[in-house]
Amino acid sequence: VMTQSPDTLSVSPGERATLSCRASQSVGNNLAWYQQKPGQAPRLLIYSASSRATGISARFSGSGSGTEFALTISSLQSEDFAVYFCQQYNNWPPFTFGPGTKVEIK
Amino acid sequence: QVHLQESGPGLVKPSETLSLTCTVSGASLSNYFWNWVRQPPGKGLEWIGFVYYSGSTDYNPSLKSRVTISLDTSKSQFSLKLTSVTAADTAVYYCATVDTTLSYYFDYWGHGALVTVSS
Repeated sequence: VMTQSPDTLSVSPGERATLSCRASQSVGNNLAWYQQKPGQAPRLLIYSASSRATGISARFSGSGSGTEFALTISSLQSEDFAVYFCQQYNNWPPFTFGPGTKVEIK
Repeated sequence: QVHLQESGPGLVKPSETLSLTCTVSGASLSNYFWNWVRQPPGKGLEWIGFVYYSGSTDYNPSLKSRVTISLDTSKSQFSLKLTSVTAADTAVYYCATVDTTLSYYFDYWGHGALVTVSS
C-alpha cells in the first residue's frame, strides 16, 4: 500500500515544496512520480526514485529508497500547481499508486 | 515518440460489458507492456492490467475475474473488456506503456476516455 502526505500542500510561487510517499513494504528504488493537471493524463516526472524523465525540469528532484520517498519542487512555477502521484513497481502485480498530493497556490 | 489514443463508447449500461480500444503509433509492439489504468472522477489511479507483445497478460487481482486485455498486432491496437459493470466502474480509462527494456514505470499515456456506467 502506498500513502502520500500531505493531501494538499498550499505553496506560494517561488517557494519550495516537498511531497512525501511511503510504502508499506520496501520497494527498493522502484518508485516513480507523476504530475497530473486537470483534464490531462498523468505525466512521468521521476523514475528509479531519483532519475528525471526526458524533458523534465531540474526543478523536480526525487529522493529516498526502501519505504520513504520524497519529491521536491524547488521554486514553484505557475505550471507546477497540479496533483502528484507516486507509483511503486517493485512488488507487482499489481502496480500501485499513492492517493496523490494536490499542490495548490497559497 | 509513442502516441496512444483510446476509443470506445462513453456510456455503458449496468451489468453490460465495457469495451475500449487503444491505437498505438510511433512504437513497435515488442518489448512493451500495454496497460490500462483508470481513474474515477476526483479520485486516484488504479492499474487494471496489461498485455505483452507475446500475448501474455497480467491483471489487478481486484478486477481479474471481470477483465480481458488483448492485442491485435495487425492493427497496432490493444483492447480492454470489463464485464458486469456497475456505477463504480465509471472512470476515465487511460492506456499507457511500460518499456520492459528500461523498467516498469508508465512512460507514455493516452489522453484518456471517460466511460460512464448508467442506465
